Amino acid sequence: EDQVTQSPEALRLQEGESSSLNCSYTVSGLRGLFWYRQDPGKGPEFLFTLYSAGEEKEKERLKATLTKKESFLHITAPKPEDSATYLCAVQGQVDYKLSFGAGTTVTVRA
Amino acid sequence: ETGVTQTPRHLVMGMTNKKSLKCEQHLGHNAMYWYKQSAKKPLELMFVYNFKEQTENNSVPSRFSPECPNSSHLFLHLHTLQPEDSALYLCASSQGLAGEGTQYFGPGTRLTVL
Repeated sequence: EDQVTQSPEALRLQEGESSSLNCSYTVSGLRGLFWYRQDPGKGPEFLFTLYSAGEEKEKERLKATLTKKESFLHITAPKPEDSATYLCAVQGQVDYKLSFGAGTTVTVRA
Repeated sequence: ETGVTQTPRHLVMGMTNKKSLKCEQHLGHNAMYWYKQSAKKPLELMFVYNFKEQTENNSVPSRFSPECPNSSHLFLHLHTLQPEDSALYLCASSQGLAGEGTQYFGPGTRLTVL
């Protein structure tokens, strides 16, 4: 069974204080690793898909990287509007279902 | 309307009520999904539809009954729910067959069962 573990559970940052979120996974053949952002009371918003180890993708202050066992979401010089819960999910080659982690809730203080 | 929409956004119901959640996708996708999100827990997949045909029922209790009349609409009929069913119910859709494309989510329906 595919498993996803995200850490830390919560992260409080000062505006401009860069940090990283971790997503560790086990999957029988990775089809894709997905990052989503979720604001309170809203549905997850798609950010990135990573397909193979060594791949990196960037969007504004966010950069996602992938190894064979984990993915990192780096937040560079965060702003208060980056406050959200970030979800990681994996999809295996055998089972098309997405397996989600519990998320990391990021709070950025001005 | 764009993307994936869900109605109602909030729903409060008693354990003996019958209600329905509605989802509509405006993305031209072929696969649609229902997820349950409880506080501090990962999203749980409930049902999957491919081209209107149900391909997955993830051991969901029969008090939840899905319906997919076409590729753009998805319903979740609720009856005789329990308080532990209170959660955020999310609809998603993707291009191609289920699992082939990125899943895009609606805003969710916040359900409270009294």
